[in-house]
Amino acid sequence: KQEVTQIPAALSVPEGENLVLNCSFTDSAIYNLQWFRQDPGKGLTSLLLIQSSQREQTSGRLNASLDKSSGRSTLYIAASQPGDSATYLCAVRPRRGSTLGRLYFGRGTQLTVWP
Amino acid sequence: DGGITQSPKYLFRKEGQNVTLSCEQNLNHDAMYWYRQDPGQGLRLIYYSQIVNDFQKGDIAEGYSVSREKKESFPLTVTSAQKNPTAFYLCASGDGLIYNEQFFGPGTRLTVL
Repeated sequence: KQEVTQIPAALSVPEGENLVLNCSFTDSAIYNLQWFRQDPGKGLTSLLLIQSSQREQTSGRLNASLDKSSGRSTLYIAASQPGDSATYLCAVRPRRGSTLGRLYFGRGTQLTVWP
Repeated sequence: DGGITQSPKYLFRKEGQNVTLSCEQNLNHDAMYWYRQDPGQGLRLIYYSQIVNDFQKGDIAEGYSVSREKKESFPLTVTSAQKNPTAFYLCASGDGLIYNEQFFGPGTRLTVL
């Protein structure tokens, strides 16, 4: 069974810092990996989707990389802002298993950016 | 606006009562999913449906039931058999193609009184 781990569980940084969130997964047989943002009491907002054949994806100040062979992904946030404060979740879509399209989630990294 | 709607936003259930959570999507997606989120835990899959009139159990289906009579609707019933139903419930959909994104609704918070 796929296990997804996110480190750190919580992170508090001053505004303007560049930061890295880590995600690791146990089974490298994946179709893709998706990063989400979740604000308190809200649903998930998709940030980036990286296919297994890709090494990275960028959207604005966000850059996500994928090293499938080592089972790792990182989400890089440049010039962090207080509005970036949220919980960030990564999820993988495995090739193995019977449930087409299901995702396996990590527990998330709770990010606080203070002014 | 295209998207996924869930209702109600908050739901309170008495012991022994069944309740139904609504999930509707207008994205024309074939696949729909129900996840449960508990504090400090990752999302766990309850049920999923890849096509109308078909659905399968996920990792924690006990005490839950679903139906998929229409493409755009995938309601979840939390039965009295669910021992610990207090949680945040999230509905998601995707077009069924394994390379594409999955999108989520705003969630329903269920509390047992």
